[in-house]
Amino acid sequence: AQSVTQLGSHVSVSEGALVLLRCNYSSSVPPYLFWYVQYPNQGLQLLLKYTTGATLVKGINGFEAEFKKSETSFHLTKPSAHMSDAAEYFCAVSGLIQGAQKLVFGQGTRLTINP
Amino acid sequence: GAGVSQSPRYKVTKRGQDVALRCDPISGHVSLYWYRQALGQGPEFLTYFNYEAQQDKSGLPNDRFSAERPEGSISTLTIQRTEQRDSAMYRCASSLAGQGGYSTDTQYFGPGTRLTVL
Repeated sequence: AQSVTQLGSHVSVSEGALVLLRCNYSSSVPPYLFWYVQYPNQGLQLLLKYTTGATLVKGINGFEAEFKKSETSFHLTKPSAHMSDAAEYFCAVSGLIQGAQKLVFGQGTRLTINP
Repeated sequence: GAGVSQSPRYKVTKRGQDVALRCDPISGHVSLYWYRQALGQGPEFLTYFNYEAQQDKSGLPNDRFSAERPEGSISTLTIQRTEQRDSAMYRCASSLAGQGGYSTDTQYFGPGTRLTVL
């Protein structure tokens, strides 16, 4: 079984400040990990993903995440927040289950950027 | 089209009515997924197709929910005898590879259908 916990349903940072969105996972198989972003009235867009190899993953819009197996974490960071980063962010985990990539999502974190 | 499309974008129905939600995946994408997202929650898996074959329907809540993808492209999720608890955002996603392919292929999501059951 797999599960994801996102710590903090709402996060607020000032423009230019560090963004840190926390994600912890549970998986009985080697995990594939994802961060998706959802802007209002739009579909989920992939920010970045970890499958194998380098544990520090860089994504779009300056975001990155680090897979830490010992901590079962995959936190999302961005050094300097921009107003356009305001959105809802979802962490997800999957594994090779019956050949399909069945994503299990966390409950989401709404990021607000203060001017 | 460039992305996954879903229709209708909004659907309001009365309890007891049947609804059909449509998903048009990215051309050439073999895998198609349906998810349901309640307010304040992340999406939850409903069902998965590899071409026209429904490979996994373990997430369908009960037998009022069904899905098909008869020609391996467009998919329809049908909810019979809708109930208020069915109100949610229904999301479709597609990815390039099928079963046995690269399971790390990115899932591309559509904008969703917001279903409200009165």
